[in-house]
Amino acid sequence: GNSVTQMEGPVTLSEEAFLTINCTYTATGYPSLFWYVQYPGEGLQLLLKATKADDKGSNKGFEATYRKETTSFHLEKGSVQVSDSAVYFCALIKAAGNKLTFGGGTRVLVKP
Amino acid sequence: SQTIHQWPATLVQPVGSPLSLECTVEGTSNPNLYWYRQAAGRGLQLLFYSVGIGQISSEVPQNLSASRPQDRQFILSSKKLLLSDSGFYLCAWSLSRGGEQFFGPGTRLTVL
Repeated sequence: GNSVTQMEGPVTLSEEAFLTINCTYTATGYPSLFWYVQYPGEGLQLLLKATKADDKGSNKGFEATYRKETTSFHLEKGSVQVSDSAVYFCALIKAAGNKLTFGGGTRVLVKP
Repeated sequence: SQTIHQWPATLVQPVGSPLSLECTVEGTSNPNLYWYRQAAGRGLQLLFYSVGIGQISSEVPQNLSASRPQDRQFILSSKKLLLSDSGFYLCAWSLSRGGEQFFGPGTRLTVL
C-alpha cells in the first residue's frame, strides 16, 4: 500500500535559520504530493503541492520538488520566522483517489 | 471563495452517549467530502468520504457513521461513544478525486 515517511521532530531552530524536513513516499503509479501545515488547535492548511515528477511547489517562502527517482518531496525554507512554528505533514494521493495518505508529522519550533 | 465550517469546536461527552458532528461547505457545488480523525500518536486517518448526496464510503470499520443529507453538508454520528473515539475530527472537501483537499477547523472530541 501507499505510505509516507517523515523525519521525526521536534525540529528546533533559531529565527532566520534554514529549514529542511525530509519526506519520502512509497506508492504505485504517479501520485500527487502535498505539504500541509497545522498550527496549534487548528485544522490543516494546504501549504504547497506538486502533481508530477520534477514539479516544484512553492508558497510563503517554502519549496518542495517532486523527485520520482528518489521518491522524495523534501520541504525547505531559506529563512524561518517564529510564526512558522507548527506541525508539518507530508501527504500523497493516488491519481483519481479519495484517500490522502499522511506522514506522521514533524513539529517545528522556531525560537527568536 | 470557498469556506468550510465545522461545529462544535470542542465537545466533551460521556462514554455511551450519542454523537453528531456537522460540517458544511460554502462557495462550491457537488464537492467530494471527507471525515478524518487525528488521534494522539496515530496520525491522520480517513474515516468516510462522499462523492454525492446519500453516497457514503467507509474506510475503517468502527462504531461511527456518516451521512450527507444535502450537497454541502456532511455529518458524523455515533449511537454510543467509546473512549477510543476521542480525537480531533477534521472535515475536508475537494473538487475532484485525486486533487488537493481543503480542511475545516476541526472538532476536538473528548470521551470520558
